[in-house]
Parts: sequence; C-alpha cells; structure tokens
Amino acid sequence: AQKVTQAQTEISVVEKEDVTLDCVYETRDTTYYLFWYKQPPSGELVFLIRRNSFDEQNEISGRYSWNFQKSTSSFNFTITASQVVDSAVYFCALSEKGTGNQFYFGTGTSLTVIP
Amino acid sequence: NAGVTQTPKFRVLKTGQSMTLLCAQDMNHEYMYWYRQDPGMGLRLIHYSVGEGTTAKGEVPDGYNVSRLKKQNFLLGLESAAPSQTSVYFCASSYRGLSQYFGPGTRLLVL
Repeated sequence: AQKVTQAQTEISVVEKEDVTLDCVYETRDTTYYLFWYKQPPSGELVFLIRRNSFDEQNEISGRYSWNFQKSTSSFNFTITASQVVDSAVYFCALSEKGTGNQFYFGTGTSLTVIP
Repeated sequence: NAGVTQTPKFRVLKTGQSMTLLCAQDMNHEYMYWYRQDPGMGLRLIHYSVGEGTTAKGEVPDGYNVSRLKKQNFLLGLESAAPSQTSVYFCASSYRGLSQYFGPGTRLLVL
C-alpha cells in the first residue's frame, strides 16, 4: 500500500491564482515526520519544510503555507499568488521512526503556472 | 561547503556492464541514501546507511549493492546493468534521519 498519496498528478493554474497540493499519508507510528520537496525543471530536489507528528501547528513561509491535520492524515501545501517560478514537481514524503527513519515519497504533483 | 555531490552526472552503459556511482557529503551526516526516480513513480529507496560500515535494503534493492566504508562516502554498484535500471539516481544525506539533502542526480542509460 502506498504510504504517501498525492492524488493530483498534474495541476495548471494561471499566475497569481492560489493552488493547494494535497498529500495524504498512512502510518501506524506515533513518531513520524512529514516533508515537502520541490523539483524544478533543472532536476535538483529542494527541501521546503519538515513537520513532526507532535506539532500540528500550521506554518506559513512567505507565499507558502502548510496545513497538517492528523485527524485526516493530511499534510497539504498551499501556494498563494502563484508565480511562474513555482512551476515544478512537488513531492510529499513521510519518515517513520519505527522503520529506521526510511523515507517514503509520494509520486509527485506537477504544477504548471501559466503566465 | 559542497553539500552532497554525485559522480558521474551522466553515464551510458551496455547491458551486462558494471559501474559504481559515488556519493560524497561534507556535512558530517550519519545517514545516507540512494534513490532512483522514474517517470510517474516518484523516488524509490534502493539502499540506505545509518552509519559508517552499515547498510540496509530499501524498497527496490535488487540488482544493486552498496558500501559505506567512510562516513562521507556512499557507493552504489551495479554488477550487471539491465535496461530496467535506466533511471535518474539521487543520493541524499541527513542528520539522524531528519531532513534529507539531495545531490544533483546521475542520469544512467542502459542500452
């Protein structure tokens, strides 16, 4: 079974629109970490955020915000006022303490921001 | 501070040939990982290491071997390359399994 599900394969938005990328995870561990990574067209993987399972506070960083809800096992990522430079593939990932901190990645969401 | 580096950046192999991919990190991280990325599949863990001299299998270990003789290096070996191993390979390192920092990737084409 997929531990991290990103149901949105591709999303297109017009510049300045807001967009939310969904991430649903599955774990039986009580201690785990959730991550978002960005992979721009150049191919490198860029770390965006890490949350631990004991901290459900939402986080905002500039135009980026993250909504962590344990009740629905979701860790969604919202980009406000999207820009062309936000065009990339975004990956959600899960790390469980119980499995030696192995990382499990979702299949990614490809975001295209149209100027 | 170079972070995580990978050698080579690109390689073409013929079926049955062998090669070694080198990953090096200068952040003194204990954990290191090898992933492969295929279209529509995300990143899948091949092998990982939680310290010098230790390695463990990930999700897709078959056809690969690894070694961690030095803390800063993690080698990925293909003994007999197959076309199914055509992929982009990423190395990553982390401090005690927390945030991973990735190398730039190695594109491997097996003909």
